[in-house]
Amino acid sequence: QVQLQESGPGLVKPSQTLSLTCTVSGGSITRGNYFWNWIRQPDGKGLEWIGRTYSSGSTTFNPSVKSRVTISVDTSRNQFSLNLTSVTAADTAVYYCARGVRGLMMFDLWGRGSRVTVSS
Amino acid sequence: IVMTQSPATLSVSPGETATLSCRASQSLATNIAWYQQRPGQAPRLLMYGTSTRATGIPARFRGSGSGTEFTLAIDSLQSEDFAIYYCQQHDTGPPMFTFGQGTKLEIK
Repeated sequence: QVQLQESGPGLVKPSQTLSLTCTVSGGSITRGNYFWNWIRQPDGKGLEWIGRTYSSGSTTFNPSVKSRVTISVDTSRNQFSLNLTSVTAADTAVYYCARGVRGLMMFDLWGRGSRVTVSS
Repeated sequence: IVMTQSPATLSVSPGETATLSCRASQSLATNIAWYQQRPGQAPRLLMYGTSTRATGIPARFRGSGSGTEFTLAIDSLQSEDFAIYYCQQHDTGPPMFTFGQGTKLEIK
């Protein structure tokens, strides 16, 4: 079955760029009516949707981070990636990648999450 | 659109029914989804289209509502049901997804 797995550094310095990759296994990122998302959760807090990409590369972002975020897709590697620039302590969180379903607009599969701490 | 969940914490005895509420700041033209998050785990899809259970979710989970008021009811609570529950909605213009702040369901 399809699985998602986040990878990337667990520690990022303030003002630098947070970079994470989500690898999709068990199915092609280009198949089916899906879009691919990043969602984060600060410790003890709720969920915040960061943005999404389609396999075509078309993206949409949360206005709260839009000026600092890019999401790209690499169909040859079955991966999509998150870059968040100029990070601060407020960006410390568990970052999840998740599969979204077109039309139903929900997230049916999630990665296990990657904890990222912003600290010098 | 802001999604407000209540109560923040709900204490219920095993075997009883829990009723969780999610209120939208304006009437929704779309359906909502519900997720369950156990400690140390990623969220798991429970319900979509407001009232359709996700694959493998037992029938004791019931979703309902429309407009601004939505409810997740869990009958015959079992130990594995004690977790945090989030509602989620989707805006169409511009595309945006928002979650409620969560309801923690704890054992009474």
